[in-house]
Amino acid sequence: KAGVTQTPRYLIKTRGQQVTLSCSPISGHRSVSWYQQTPGQGLQFLFEYFSETQRNKGNFPGRFSGRQFSNSRSEMNVSTLELGDSALYLCASSFPTSGSPNTGELFFGEGSRLTVL
Amino acid sequence: DAKTTQPTSMDCAEGRAANLPCNHSTISGNEYVYWYRQIHSQGPQYIIHGLKNNETNEMASLIITEDRKSSTLILPHATLRDTAVYYCIVRVAGAAGNKLTFGGGTRVLVKP
Repeated sequence: KAGVTQTPRYLIKTRGQQVTLSCSPISGHRSVSWYQQTPGQGLQFLFEYFSETQRNKGNFPGRFSGRQFSNSRSEMNVSTLELGDSALYLCASSFPTSGSPNTGELFFGEGSRLTVL
Repeated sequence: DAKTTQPTSMDCAEGRAANLPCNHSTISGNEYVYWYRQIHSQGPQYIIHGLKNNETNEMASLIITEDRKSSTLILPHATLRDTAVYYCIVRVAGAAGNKLTFGGGTRVLVKP
């Protein structure tokens, strides 16, 4: 079974540009969430999508946005890039079971490492 | 989600058991304890989770105290590949979604 796939793995942008990152979840998984990891702030939750709807949102400015498609693939976009947006962006997918407690196991991709110059 | 407290770092000898403590004194009745680890430059990897009973899988064992205010992740026979940052997370399982709140974790160094 293929894991969570994130593209691109590495990218370099300059301040003011915008970037789009893509995440393909594990087949059958309907929930996709995004995290930002920096040396200073650690792993921080950005947002989660389930059935094309944003279900949870972290404490990030509106420059960070995302969406989910009908096939559960997800994209996140960061506009007007700042130096502080340099980070590893991680995507995680899960398959929430219905009628029983969500076991909450998340499967993470390898991440997209963004460098803003 | 309840806050967790973990030691910043610990060393372990290869082949020995690694016992990683986690304090979650404000855990509520419907919150589970999850453990993930992150090997350098990779995405976090799920290890194990539990509610109140001890759990064991092929990777590790999870021991939760009776009052559920703390837990210990046990790697029975640590190998060099177990060198990673280990995160203890407490969260509600259910329809609340999949938001994980990561703390600083414990940086585990397995030495030959």
